[in-house]
Amino acid sequence: DVKVTQSSRYLVKRTGEKVFLECVQDMDHENMFWYRQDPGLGLRLIYFSYDVKMKEKGDIPEGYSVSREKKERFSLILESASTNQTSMYLCASSLWAGQSENEQYFGPGTRLTVT
Amino acid sequence: AQSVAQPEDQVNVAEGNPLTVKCTYSVSGNPYLFWYVQYPNRGLQFLLKYITGDNLVKGSYGFEAEFNKSQTSFHLKKPSALVSDSALYFCAVNHGGYQKVTFGTGTKLQVIP
Repeated sequence: DVKVTQSSRYLVKRTGEKVFLECVQDMDHENMFWYRQDPGLGLRLIYFSYDVKMKEKGDIPEGYSVSREKKERFSLILESASTNQTSMYLCASSLWAGQSENEQYFGPGTRLTVT
Repeated sequence: AQSVAQPEDQVNVAEGNPLTVKCTYSVSGNPYLFWYVQYPNRGLQFLLKYITGDNLVKGSYGFEAEFNKSQTSFHLKKPSALVSDSALYFCAVNHGGYQKVTFGTGTKLQVIP
């Protein structure tokens, strides 16, 4: 079974802090994704990566950056946390086979509160 | 551009009755369509997908979905709802060669005992 793990289930940070969210997958997937989930807005893509050291902006990249130094690990960084970044953050991975028909596997999520 | 709409924020159904959760999409080219489920305090789980072929797709936990190209819809169905089906359901779409998936806003399914 594919396993996607996230470093924290709950996190409380102060405004202006630098925040790191870590995600690890164990199935050698090429693609990895970071989403935020907010009530009424569904899932919105922040960034994704299709290979080591490669990244692509999603729909809402402002205020975030990412790092992928190893294939299994994808980090989301909030350079200076703000209260409007309080949200549930979901990491996902998928196999890339030249087409995009493969489903994504999600981690349990990190609920981040910025005060 | 691609988009997906889930017109109902919430669907209530009695246990044992059939259920339908609606999804419509917009995409250039042939769509790849997905349904995911999120149980309380859990991440999303894949339910089923349509890539090509038979318009009726069967998935996990007795769910199925029907792809209708003329109506650009991909509704999720189950013949007999269980209380344990109560969860948040997301429809998603992308098209071949494009790695970004667009998710709908989600539909909360409440199955009433």
